[in-house]
Amino acid sequence: NAGVTQTPKFQVLKTGQSMTLQCAQDMNHEYMSWYRQDPGMGLRLIHYSVGAGITDQGEVPNGYNVSRSTTEDFPLRLLSAAPSQTSVYFCASSYTPYHRNEEKLFFGSGTQLSVL
Amino acid sequence: DQQVKQNSPSLSVQEGRISILNCDYTNSMFDYFLWYKKYPAEGPTFLISISSIKDKNEDGRFTVFLNKSAKHLSLHIVPSQPGDSAVYFCAAKGFGNEKLTFGTGTRLTIIP
Repeated sequence: NAGVTQTPKFQVLKTGQSMTLQCAQDMNHEYMSWYRQDPGMGLRLIHYSVGAGITDQGEVPNGYNVSRSTTEDFPLRLLSAAPSQTSVYFCASSYTPYHRNEEKLFFGSGTQLSVL
Repeated sequence: DQQVKQNSPSLSVQEGRISILNCDYTNSMFDYFLWYKKYPAEGPTFLISISSIKDKNEDGRFTVFLNKSAKHLSLHIVPSQPGDSAVYFCAAKGFGNEKLTFGTGTRLTIIP
């Protein structure tokens, strides 16, 4: 039972470098999202997608891009990394955000990112 | 603007006693509330939820209470066990809204 798989688990970048955080789910979930967790800030939504080809911005989208070409994958791209993007990143998915019994999120195990 | 607030960053409770975690929200459009539990180096996992048409929902040792007039919800864990030591996040969303908004979390420590 893979669920939501995130890679890599750890990453160190230099300021200005770019990289892609990978997220894949094998539950045929329509909805996928990216959160970042920072001390004292909780989990903040970066971007989300309600289906292949559809993405939208969350609470803190600046500096990040996403795409959803398949139902299974939802990569998060950092275009030019900054120290403020040092955080733990979580990918999450659900069947749908529109039906009460189907909308609880399943999370991946996270990516710890440090930007120097 | 923090729409979901957990004002206690940490809480310590003796094993076997009741743990009460609190959460306040400001957005009156929120009508569905969830609690997640997070262990170190793992992703959050769903614990229990409640819809605004109810004021209480139970699942084993876990009970969530919702007070809509006060915009307040609480999670009760009875009896508390060492395995309950974790960070607990409260989350909320509105009907038809795609975004789930999380609180800042409360670290619960159960003392043996």
